[in-house]
Amino acid sequence: AQSVSQHNHHVILSEAASLELGCNYSYGGTVNLFWYVQYPGQHLQLLLKYFSGDPLVKGIKGFEAEFIKSKFSFNLRKPSVQWSDTAEYFCAVTTDSWGKLQFGAGTQVVVTP
Amino acid sequence: KAGVTQTPRYLIKTRGQQVTLSCSPISGHRSVSWYQQTPGQGLQFLFEYFSETQRNKGNFPGRFSGRQFSNSRSEMNVSTLELGDSALYLCASSLGQTKTNYGYTFGSGTRLTVV
Repeated sequence: AQSVSQHNHHVILSEAASLELGCNYSYGGTVNLFWYVQYPGQHLQLLLKYFSGDPLVKGIKGFEAEFIKSKFSFNLRKPSVQWSDTAEYFCAVTTDSWGKLQFGAGTQVVVTP
Repeated sequence: KAGVTQTPRYLIKTRGQQVTLSCSPISGHRSVSWYQQTPGQGLQFLFEYFSETQRNKGNFPGRFSGRQFSNSRSEMNVSTLELGDSALYLCASSLGQTKTNYGYTFGSGTRLTVV
């Protein structure tokens, strides 16, 4: 069965620290990959997405992600986090299934001032 | 353009009742997908509609149903509510013409509490 694994459930770090969130998926075919963020009390917002081309994808708010096909991974990074990055982050994958995003369990990120 | 609109934002229902949630997609989007978000199970896919037809369905019991209207607005219905149906229900809209989609835009969700 297809699945998406996020390595960390909770991450706590200080402002200006670097952030890397791991995401691995299990699906052998063509995939589209997404990172969504959910700020407290808000809806899911798209941070970035990968469909094809350059495996290093840049998104909003200084986030980037790298698709490594051989490792089935799509890790999210930000060089220097801010307190406002406190949120839950979800990795998601679409495969050959109509209208369906397969989500990881999410990583709760807390940035302390 | 306006985003994805879900109504109502909050609902409290009693076990055994039924509930209908509504989702209006972004103008021009013909696909609406529904998800259930709970602390224990995370985000789980319920079903997807495109041009008034259900194209895909997740692993939920038949108490969960949906429909889509000609203007692409979608409704989701849960009958015979159980305590475990308490969740945030999200809908997402997209263009929907291909499986390799260009992305999904989510609404703010409907928080359903079953007591």
